[in-house]
Amino acid sequence: DVKVTQSSRYLVKRTGEKVFLECVQDMDHENMFWYRQDPGLGLRLIYFSYDVKMKEKGDIPEGYSVSREKKERFSLILESASTNQTSMYLCASRSHGPSYNEQFFGPGTRLTVL
Amino acid sequence: KQEVTQIPAALSVPEGENLVLNCSFTDSAIYNLQWFRQDPGKGLTSLLLIQSSQREQTSGRLNASLDKSSGRSTLYIAASQPGDSATYLCAVRGTRGQNFVFGPGTRLSVLP
Repeated sequence: DVKVTQSSRYLVKRTGEKVFLECVQDMDHENMFWYRQDPGLGLRLIYFSYDVKMKEKGDIPEGYSVSREKKERFSLILESASTNQTSMYLCASRSHGPSYNEQFFGPGTRLTVL
Repeated sequence: KQEVTQIPAALSVPEGENLVLNCSFTDSAIYNLQWFRQDPGKGLTSLLLIQSSQREQTSGRLNASLDKSSGRSTLYIAASQPGDSATYLCAVRGTRGQNFVFGPGTRLSVLP
């Protein structure tokens, strides 16, 4: 079974703090993704990575950065948290290849920025 | 740009009923389509993945079909149970990129 884990289920931070969200997968997947999910807006892709040290911007990268130093770990960084970054953050992973590859999700981190 | 819609936005049915959830997408150049379920406050659980060359996939009481040319997929749930209550999302992976595009979801309530 693919396991995607996220470092925290719930997180409360203050405006201006630096926030790290960690994601780890145990299936040697090349691709990893960070999404945020908001009511009425659905899932939106923030960043993704298709290999170690590689990263690509998704649809809403502003205010975020990422780090992928090891294949199994993909970190999302909020350099200076703001209240509009209060959201559910979901990490996912998938192996390379065009077709037969499902995307697997972690349990999510509910981040509140006060 | 690929757009994915899901109808209805919400559905409430009595236990035991068979039901159909719909997913539409605008660009038929896809690798595959994946259906997920999401319980409140939780992550997404993969239900079924259909390749572009396939017409349908089945898992237990779930059956997903794909009509790529018309840009549609349906998720059929047989003999619904209260435990099926969740939000169901479809996601499409196009041939022009690495990423899935998600629909907004259908919130299903199955009443005992």
